[in-house]
Amino acid sequence: QVQLVESGGGVVKPGRSLRLSCVASGFTLTSYAVHWVRQAPGQGLEWVTFISHDGGNNYYADSVKGRFTISRDNSRNTVFLQMNSLRLEDTAVYYCAREDGDDYGDWFDLWGQGTLVTVSS
Amino acid sequence: QLTQSPSSLSASVGDRVTITCRSSQGISSFLAWYQQKPGKAPKLLIYAASTLQSGVPSRFSGSESVTDFTLTISSLQPEDSATYYCQQLHIYPYTFGQGTRLEIK
Repeated sequence: QVQLVESGGGVVKPGRSLRLSCVASGFTLTSYAVHWVRQAPGQGLEWVTFISHDGGNNYYADSVKGRFTISRDNSRNTVFLQMNSLRLEDTAVYYCAREDGDDYGDWFDLWGQGTLVTVSS
Repeated sequence: QLTQSPSSLSASVGDRVTITCRSSQGISSFLAWYQQKPGKAPKLLIYAASTLQSGVPSRFSGSESVTDFTLTISSLQPEDSATYYCQQLHIYPYTFGQGTRLEIK
């Protein structure tokens, strides 16, 4: 079954760290760029970060730059999101998503089920 | 920046529904539309502004006019109750519209 499965969410105090994982099954993640998108409770979608298929390129939203790091281990078909110096406003469901595309556009065609991160004192 | 409208709407089964997304700059056709139901991950409906994702009902369609993009549901069905988002994938950050909550009367 082709799917992405996130894990690693939980409750953490402000200033602490958490690492999320996104494991692919049913396909080879090596061929794809991967993104993290988050959704605060009752709010819309916010793009967080991207990593290229080979890990050689990445981008971050200004809201997480310098605190979050995306990485990947293609031998394990896994992408990671290391979240440091967590803030209350980082509370959200975090989704990983696979990017596909062609000459006419890119799109996120496969999403995980999400993992909830709650930052609370 | 993407400006999506309306933020919410209510329509009846069989109605034609239109949701608009306006970009503040040119993004070519690098725009996608997603449907999200409560407690679920977003689902891709349309990519490259007007290409229907495989398996998505043909009542969904997308169009573009320079920096204005439109998602149309030609004949609303009960299962279309959801929140809809546009997303530009032309330049980082890959921003989303604010979302449109669609309610079935």
